Amino acid sequence: AAGVIQSPRHLIKEKRETATLKCYPIPRHDTVYWYQQGPGQDPQFLISFYEKMQSDKGSIPDRFSAQQFSDYHSELNMSSLELGDSALYFCASSLGRGGRGNEQYFGPGTRLTVT
Amino acid sequence: AQTVTQSQPEMSVQEAETVTLSCTYDTSESDYYLFWYKQPPSRQMILVIRQEAYKQQNATENRFSVNFQKAAKSFSLKISDSQLGDAAMYFCAYRSGDKIIFGKGTRLHILP
Repeated sequence: AAGVIQSPRHLIKEKRETATLKCYPIPRHDTVYWYQQGPGQDPQFLISFYEKMQSDKGSIPDRFSAQQFSDYHSELNMSSLELGDSALYFCASSLGRGGRGNEQYFGPGTRLTVT
Repeated sequence: AQTVTQSQPEMSVQEAETVTLSCTYDTSESDYYLFWYKQPPSRQMILVIRQEAYKQQNATENRFSVNFQKAAKSFSLKISDSQLGDAAMYFCAYRSGDKIIFGKGTRLHILP
């Protein structure tokens, strides 16, 4: 079965640079979620999109922005990168928003290293 | 705000034995979902089991089962016949609307 695809899988950037992470949800899934997992930490919810509209927002820095496109893929744009942004970024997708049966399926993650 | 607490940072179990991972949560909602996720060294987040709060019956998935005590806001995971491949970080999680709130995790070691 098709899974969530994230690209790139690994990314190395320098401080103050910009990074773009991409997420391709499971076919027919219309909701995308972004999570950030720092070293030795639990994943933290950043933001979600349903039908191309932002549906919920967590602890996402103002330097980050995201959007969902007409084909339901999503991009997380991160500017003015800081050392503390080094983390594993997960994307998850579901068919429909939070509710009964709308399971979130996680992608393999993008490991971002800021030097 | 909802919180998820895992009080055991690390646990060890002998291969083929049974182990129970603890989790408590706090919420004022009456209908919600609880999950256990497994994160092996590959860092992939794998759903192990889920429990719907409106269901009284405890969820079971092969060797994995939960003890869901809604009044006590407790959601423990029991792994039977532990295998070397069960070694991983286990996260207890609560879904509130769109977001999933994770506990700090319990690292499980399997002793051969």
